[in-house]
Amino acid sequence: DTEVTQTPKHLVMGMTNKKSLKCEQHMGHRAMYWYKQKAKKPPELMFVYSYEKLSINESVPSRFSPECPNSSLLNLHLHALQPEDSALYLCASSLITSTGELFFGEGSRLTVL
Amino acid sequence: TQLLEQSPQFLSIQEGENLTVYCNSSSVFSSLQWYRQEPGEGPVLLVTVVTGGEVKKLKRLTFQFGDARKDSSLHITAAQPGDTGLYLCAGDASNFGNEKLTFGTGTRLTIIP
Repeated sequence: DTEVTQTPKHLVMGMTNKKSLKCEQHMGHRAMYWYKQKAKKPPELMFVYSYEKLSINESVPSRFSPECPNSSLLNLHLHALQPEDSALYLCASSLITSTGELFFGEGSRLTVL
Repeated sequence: TQLLEQSPQFLSIQEGENLTVYCNSSSVFSSLQWYRQEPGEGPVLLVTVVTGGEVKKLKRLTFQFGDARKDSSLHITAAQPGDTGLYLCAGDASNFGNEKLTFGTGTRLTIIP
């Protein structure tokens, strides 16, 4: 199993809603990531979890809250988002380090109204 | 802060033509990864180059790492519509104290049938 699975694939939410993005991998990878990607741009790193502990937070606003319940799961909790937060949110994993080869999910396309 | 500049930013060519994409930096990297991202999907790893001067081939794609490990190129021979996508290079500078990958600015390639 070499897949990273993300749900939902599409999400539309209002600025007062609370929602969550979910990511799962069963490759035994110990580093997991959230990236944000705007149209026609490269992915921008948001968070890195290494061995289930948050190791990198790229000064992301607190309306984005990551959670790593176990080594296979990664969540991104969303609350009080702004329209400019609309983007493709990509989850990725790598074997060990935060600079390892990345396996990406297909992404969750978020629209904030 | 390491920066990776890719050129060209956009490229649209006819099927069957050859092309080269460049990934340049003033910084040294331990290794460099190349990804391709198709519309509606997450990036997929194509190759990792590690040694200065290294050349790797993946069917019609040839990847080269510069001797000084500051730059890389991707050459595609006889391009096909299936090569269409966003090409991203990503540098690993963990040996130099940077604990996260640096993504390049991206090259959007369109192959016209």
